[in-house]
Amino acid sequence: QKEVEQNSGPLSVPEGAIASLNCTYSDRGSQSFFWYRQYSGKSPELIMFIYSNGDKEDGRFTAQLNKASQYVSLLIRDSQPSDSATYLCAVKVSNTGNQFYFGTGTSLTVIP
Amino acid sequence: ETGVTQSPTHLIKTRGQQVTLRCSSQSGHNTVSWYQQALGQGPQFIFQYYREEENGRGNFPPRFSGLQFPNYSSELNVNALELDDSALYLCASSLGGAGIEQYFGPGTRLTVT
Repeated sequence: QKEVEQNSGPLSVPEGAIASLNCTYSDRGSQSFFWYRQYSGKSPELIMFIYSNGDKEDGRFTAQLNKASQYVSLLIRDSQPSDSATYLCAVKVSNTGNQFYFGTGTSLTVIP
Repeated sequence: ETGVTQSPTHLIKTRGQQVTLRCSSQSGHNTVSWYQQALGQGPQFIFQYYREEENGRGNFPPRFSGLQFPNYSSELNVNALELDDSALYLCASSLGGAGIEQYFGPGTRLTVT
């Protein structure tokens, strides 16, 4: 069973705060992990990907991966109102060829 | 902008009809994946094409079929439309059969009445 679980939210944070988005996955064969941002009515936009345990930083975004706990997170520092969107976690499992599994997304609202 | 284009933007069909959706990949990308995203849900993988061959399929019935052309553009065909087929259909292009980093097109909103 290949499931990706996210808290659907909504998550609200004040402008300038750190937003923390979490994702768990069930398949230990999961190999690659992705965070997408999706604005209402738009298509998903790739923010970050991570393959190895630990942290990966890109500007205001930090992805954290813990394969032992089957947990991946996204931190958004200095949150801006423009960060208000749904954040999708996606997982690629090595033994399923090329299928990506998406969570249902977490809705984030940054309050000015 | 990802360079991935899809057409049409919106489409309304009647139950039982057939529909063809189109996707042009980002320049240099030879892999395209199709997803169905119902309202409030994450994208669900339909199938992937790599160099004109199907390279993986999700849990969708055979009435969902596809093609990839030599220029790496792609089509998604859905026969015998059902009301539950109403969704946003997304294509994503990537380089290489493994399709590590995918970039989505703007999507086609299909409504079945």
